Order: sequence, then structure tokens, then C-alpha cells
Amino acid sequence: EAGVAQSPRYKIIEKRQSVAFWCNPISGHATLYWYQQILGQGPKLLIQFQNNGVVDDSQLPKDRFSAERLKGVDSTLKIQPAKLEDSAVYLCASSLGLRGGGKNEAFFGQGTRLTVV
Amino acid sequence: AQSVTQLDSQVSVFEEAPVELRCNYSSSVSVYLFWYVQYPNQGLQLLLKYLSGSTLVKGINGFEAEFNKSQTSFHLRKPSVHISDTAEYFCAVSTNAGKSTFGDGTTLTVKP
Repeated sequence: EAGVAQSPRYKIIEKRQSVAFWCNPISGHATLYWYQQILGQGPKLLIQFQNNGVVDDSQLPKDRFSAERLKGVDSTLKIQPAKLEDSAVYLCASSLGLRGGGKNEAFFGQGTRLTVV
Repeated sequence: AQSVTQLDSQVSVFEEAPVELRCNYSSSVSVYLFWYVQYPNQGLQLLLKYLSGSTLVKGINGFEAEFNKSQTSFHLRKPSVHISDTAEYFCAVSTNAGKSTFGDGTTLTVKP
């Protein structure tokens, strides 16, 4: 079974530039998550999708971050404009779906390491 | 709201020694409990989870964890560690609605 795919693996940009990350979840997984993991901290949820609808985006800085999940499969996360404090690893994860509630484990991609200079 | 506190940011032990990684949580609703491991340059992967039933949960690679409701804890243990267990370990809680909250992680270093 193929895992969660993310690209790119690494990205270096200057502040005020824009950047986009791509995620392809495990086939059949209805729920998709984007997490931000700052060095020395645990993953922090940015946004959660159920199919192509947003379930939770309460911690997404909507003035600069946006995300979409077209057709309930792939997803992109965009930052525009980037700030120095956005330097982090951006993790995408997927799970079977809300039918199991929080019982379902999340499967994580390898992440994208973003450095803003 | 939920919160997770991992009481040790770093733990260092010798190979074949036992180890315990501590996790406390707080929540106003019932939660499910998870431990994930993150090896260098890799994503997180599930070690074990507690959903209900027996409070002692066994996971992969010889790890186990015990759920203690009165102390709101979910400590991870392994009786004998290997060099390959060197990694970052994350405790997480998840609500019935599927919202997960992670702790800040414990770096486990196993020395030869």
C-alpha cells in the first residue's frame, strides 16, 4: 500500500515570497490533515478535511495560509506571503475518516521542510 | 479543549536498559490516546493506541503503554531498548470528532 506522498521535500524561500506544498493521501482515506511542526515542538493542526469539505481550520492563519482539497483526494497548502516564523516542517496526514471518529490512526507523509530567509 | 504534556523533553539510556517516556493529558471530553514515533527525516508512525478496554496496550517493536484514568496519564515503556529505538516520540490525544492534539515530543537517545 502506497503511503502519503508529499512534495517538495525541502524548500527555501525569501520572506514575502509565496510557496505551495502538495499532498497525495492514501487511497480511500477520507480525512486529510495538514500540520505545522516547528523545531522542538509537536505537530500543530492547521486544517482538517473530510473528503473535500473543511472540518476544522481554527488554527490556520487565514490571512496568509490557504488550503484546498480538490475532488476529495489531493491537497495543496499555500503560504502567501511567507514570514520568517513560518519556517517549519509541514506534515500531511490521512486517515480512514470520521466514521471511526478519533479512533483511526493517522498516516503521515515525510513532510516538507520550509526555510524562510 | 485538550492538552498533552510530555514530561521529559530528552531521555538518554544505555542499550538493553528499560525506559519510560511520560505523558499526561487533560481534556473536558473523552479522548483516545496514541503514541507515535518519528525517526530522523521520516514522518510519524503509530506505535500503539488506547481506545477502550484493557488499560495495558501493547504496540510494535516491544513497546507498551498503560492508561491511567485517575492520573490522566499514558506512559510509554520498553523493558529493553535497542540502538534503533533512538527517535522522537510523540504522545497524542484524539476526540471522537477526530481532532488530535500532540505533545511536544521526547527525544530518546540509546547509547551503546
